[in-house]
Amino acid sequence: KAGVTQTPRYLIKTRGQQVTLSCSPISGHRSVSWYQQTPGQGLQFLFEYFSETQRNKGNFPGRFSGRQFSNSRSEMNVSTLELGDSALYLCASSLPSGTEGEKLFFGSGTQLSVL
Amino acid sequence: SQQGEEDPQALSIQEGENATMNCSYKTSINNLQWYRQNSGRGLVHLILIRSNEREKHSGRLRVTLDTSKKSSSLLITASRAADTASYFCASYDGNTGKLIFGQGTTLQVKP
Repeated sequence: KAGVTQTPRYLIKTRGQQVTLSCSPISGHRSVSWYQQTPGQGLQFLFEYFSETQRNKGNFPGRFSGRQFSNSRSEMNVSTLELGDSALYLCASSLPSGTEGEKLFFGSGTQLSVL
Repeated sequence: SQQGEEDPQALSIQEGENATMNCSYKTSINNLQWYRQNSGRGLVHLILIRSNEREKHSGRLRVTLDTSKKSSSLLITASRAADTASYFCASYDGNTGKLIFGQGTTLQVKP
């Protein structure tokens, strides 16, 4: 079974631009979560999508948005990039809630650098 | 911040020694999980312990949970150089549906 796939692996943008990151979950997983990881703040929860609906949201400004498609693939978008948005963005998928539902399977991440 | 704390932040040991990492969390939980991350890659799930469990084993891993103290510990026995990585605890709150990660412990195992 293929793992969680994130594209692109690396991205360099300049301040003010916008960026879209993509995530394909493990086949059969319908929940997708996004995390931002920085050396200073650690892993911060961005949002979670399930069946094309945002089920949960972290404390990030409205510049951060996401969506999920009918095939469970997900994208996140960051508009008007700031230097502080430089981070490793991690996507994780999971089965619906249940015995194993809370266990996350992570992709390798997209390393975003904002210049 | 909702994040839990991990202690120590960094740990360096010799191969064959045991490594112990501690984690504290802030909210009531359904379960607590431990993940491992190699050098800026994605996280890999190691073990999950439910709120009604006190101890759990998986291979060389032993996890304990004390819900009265809101704390957990991860013990890696007979460590290997390949265990060098960052280890994160994550507390799952069934009410909010959020998995909140700690700041992590960086473990270096010297050959």
